[in-house]
Amino acid sequence: DSGVTQTPKHLITATGQRVTLRCSPRSGDLSVYWYQQSLDQGLQFLIQYYNGEERAKGNILERFSAQQFPDLHSELNLSSLELGDSALYFCASSVEQGSNTEAFFGQGTRLTVV
Amino acid sequence: GNSVTQMEGPVTLSEEAFLTINCTYTATGYPSLFWYVQYPGEGLQLLLKATKADDKGSNKGFEATYRKETTSFHLEKGSVQVSDSAVYFCALSANLKAAGNKLTFGGGTRVLVKP
Repeated sequence: DSGVTQTPKHLITATGQRVTLRCSPRSGDLSVYWYQQSLDQGLQFLIQYYNGEERAKGNILERFSAQQFPDLHSELNLSSLELGDSALYFCASSVEQGSNTEAFFGQGTRLTVV
Repeated sequence: GNSVTQMEGPVTLSEEAFLTINCTYTATGYPSLFWYVQYPGEGLQLLLKATKADDKGSNKGFEATYRKETTSFHLEKGSVQVSDSAVYFCALSANLKAAGNKLTFGGGTRVLVKP
């Protein structure tokens, strides 16, 4: 158990809908990262928050947004969903920002868009 | 930009065989390098890491050495077990403040160890 909790584990929704994925980082971790894992794109970095502030942005679509709340949990909002958004979405957390800091991953939310 | 290339799988081995998974990278500056492992139905777990040239990371019998001259970080294990069956990801984290410390992953290598 990494200590990172993601809910829900599975989500099935229709095209055009909006969903919210939730992540609770390990106790004490200030950084939260979101990654998307799909068969064609592999593991892609989406966005990072550090102590409530956006820190870095990757290949995140404009239809997607995220935030980190004062209690440090984070939510990833996906809207106007398309079939191609079906993927495994991982959240990771780390205590700080250094490049050699280990990131701990949750078990992921599997999103299926039908 | 940063990128990681690792050998495609699947790699199928017999128990007690020697495992090598090649990984090369392209990065600005001096990245930290990682190997993560993903067991079926689970998230990624850090297997080992190296933060500077010539560092050797090791864990659970796995080893990898940070080779700056060849920009490589190959993963090796001398004697694999069935329980090592998983997908292995090579990754780097750029040591640039502007980039945060996001991980850039390779495509993953599926390893299947048969009894």
